[in-house]
Amino acid sequence: EAGVAQSPRYKIIEKRQSVAFWCNPISGHATLYWYQQILGQGPKLLIQFQNNGVVDDSQLPKDRFSAERLKGVDSTLKIQPAKLEDSAVYLCASSLDLRTSGFTDTQYFGPGTRLTVL
Amino acid sequence: GDSVTQMEGPVTLSEEAFLTINCTYTATGYPSLFWYVQYPGEGLQLLLKATKADDKGSNKGFEATYRKETTSFHLEKGSVQVSDSAVYFCALSGYDSWGKLQFGAGTQVVVTP
Repeated sequence: EAGVAQSPRYKIIEKRQSVAFWCNPISGHATLYWYQQILGQGPKLLIQFQNNGVVDDSQLPKDRFSAERLKGVDSTLKIQPAKLEDSAVYLCASSLDLRTSGFTDTQYFGPGTRLTVL
Repeated sequence: GDSVTQMEGPVTLSEEAFLTINCTYTATGYPSLFWYVQYPGEGLQLLLKATKADDKGSNKGFEATYRKETTSFHLEKGSVQVSDSAVYFCALSGYDSWGKLQFGAGTQVVVTP
């Protein structure tokens, strides 16, 4: 079974530029998460989707970050414009179905995209 | 709100030593508890989990027991190998968190031959 795919793996941009990350979850997984992991810290949730609907985006800086999951499968996360403090690893994760497994479900993580903002 | 506190690293051990990484949590009700591991250059992998009090999760020689009375989920392994060198994250998913994981800061473990 293929895991969660993410691209690109690495990205270096100048501040005020824009960047987009792509995620393809495990086939059949209804719930998708984007986390931000700053160096030396644990991941923090940015946004969570159930199929193509947003469940939780309370920690997403909406003035510069946006995310979508239009067909309930792939997802993109965009930053525009980027700031220095956005330098981090962006992790995508998926789980089977929040509605049936709830808070006991296992999340499967992709390899992440390491973003450096200069 | 929900939170997880785990011991700071790095933890440096010799091969075959006993490993303990402490993890305590704050949450309402009975959350699910997880240990994830991150090997160098790789994404997070689930190591083990427990979804109710007194459950013991185990995998690859690692164990952790969900202790409601002490709000703890300490990770242990009896004999570590060099290949266990990684960063270990304790995490919880609360009953009302809609599956969102709350992570600790991570503990780096370095095992030397």
